Amino acid sequence: DIQMTQSPSSLSASVGDRVTITCRASQSISSYLNWYQQKPGKAPKLLIYLASSLQSGVPSTFSGSGSGTDFTLTITSLQPEDFATYYCQQSFSTPLTFGGGTKVEIK
Amino acid sequence: QVQLQESGPGLVKPSQTLSLTCTVSGGSINSSSYYWSWIRQPAGKGLEWIGRIYTSGSTNYNPSLKSRVTISVDTSKNQFSLKLSSVTAADTAVYYCSRGLGTVNFDFWGQGTLVTVSS
Repeated sequence: DIQMTQSPSSLSASVGDRVTITCRASQSISSYLNWYQQKPGKAPKLLIYLASSLQSGVPSTFSGSGSGTDFTLTITSLQPEDFATYYCQQSFSTPLTFGGGTKVEIK
Repeated sequence: QVQLQESGPGLVKPSQTLSLTCTVSGGSINSSSYYWSWIRQPAGKGLEWIGRIYTSGSTNYNPSLKSRVTISVDTSKNQFSLKLSSVTAADTAVYYCSRGLGTVNFDFWGQGTLVTVSS
């Protein structure tokens, strides 16, 4: 199985801050990396697919980068509605696996 | 816009079989472009992919659950289903159904349903 490791596991930030979340795969997954946002009591929502492609309807304040084993999700200006937990997920091979999540909290 | 809705018992006894159904609306489940997955999330924990099915009937399962999982599809009802046998308390989780397309594995999700395993 491909292990996905996210860091940090949590962070505190203020509205307007730039936030970066890192995801590392245990082996190369090319660009087969997706990012999701999950709010309490809700299903995850797809933000970014194929490492850097923005899903329709997702604000351009979200961006993704990386390839191989190292990836980042960046929120350029944190908005109140962005406080949530973020997960990376590899789509390179089955079993499909997720990172452990990064909780973004209000400072 | 496609919508997914999970349904099934919220309480299952240990050693019994968990059965859930996902009803797809706003689009046909019978498209060769898509596949349909189940994912679960224990309270306060991360996401675990259980498996997926194509409308051809082809399936992929997570090896960690493969011996206990069956996913099936009923195109006439626009539904797909999950059966997980011999459940224990460790199977208590919110279960989600989701749609996938190519390497975009989970673009639409159901709202999730909590299944508790307890006597």
